[in-house]
Amino acid sequence: GQNIDQPTEMTATEGAIVQINCTYQTSGFNGLFWYQQHAGEAPTFLSYNVLDGLEEKGRFSSFLSRSKGYSYLLLKELQMKDSASYLCAVSDSNYQLIWGAGTKLIIKP
Amino acid sequence: ETGVTQTPRHLVMGMTNKKSLKCEQHLGHNAMYWYKQSAKKPLELMFVYSLEERVENNSVPSRFSPECPNSSHLFLHLHTLQPEDSALYLCASSQEVGSSYNEQFFGPGTRLTVL
Repeated sequence: GQNIDQPTEMTATEGAIVQINCTYQTSGFNGLFWYQQHAGEAPTFLSYNVLDGLEEKGRFSSFLSRSKGYSYLLLKELQMKDSASYLCAVSDSNYQLIWGAGTKLIIKP
Repeated sequence: ETGVTQTPRHLVMGMTNKKSLKCEQHLGHNAMYWYKQSAKKPLELMFVYSLEERVENNSVPSRFSPECPNSSHLFLHLHTLQPEDSALYLCASSQEVGSSYNEQFFGPGTRLTVL
């Protein structure tokens, strides 16, 4: 079967750095997406990785290792507004997105 | 504002009611999706439309009936639902289906409660 695993919940301090991990087992791989979803709002796109390595976009970075079936989202200089759920999704061999259950990130002052 | 709107935002219905959810995208995309989001569970893909033609139906109960009259509008017709159908229903659109980089744009969702 296809499976995406990510931690259910994480807590971090304002101004700090947090890494949210995602491991996947899918039939085929056509890229990995990270989305952010604030409570009661639409998921919004953060990043896309299809090749191994680190993609940096401001305070957010996303890393991919295809051989390990592993990705992480790195958030630096955390702000209170970063409190949200972070969703990992993999595009499989049929280009269908397989979603993780999301990681709820709680930022404390 | 993602360019995808959904109405209503909240809906409470009894098991014998019939209601419809509406989604509209203003992005010029060719593909539209319905997802179900339950607490602490992965997004469940329900239906996919490409240029108004259904291309994916992931074993969804017949009490959910989609309709795509044109590439900008998508409906989900609901009838004789069960309490376990209570969830957030998300609509999304993308440029097309069947490509690697296929960023999906989501609407804010309809919070459905079935009594």
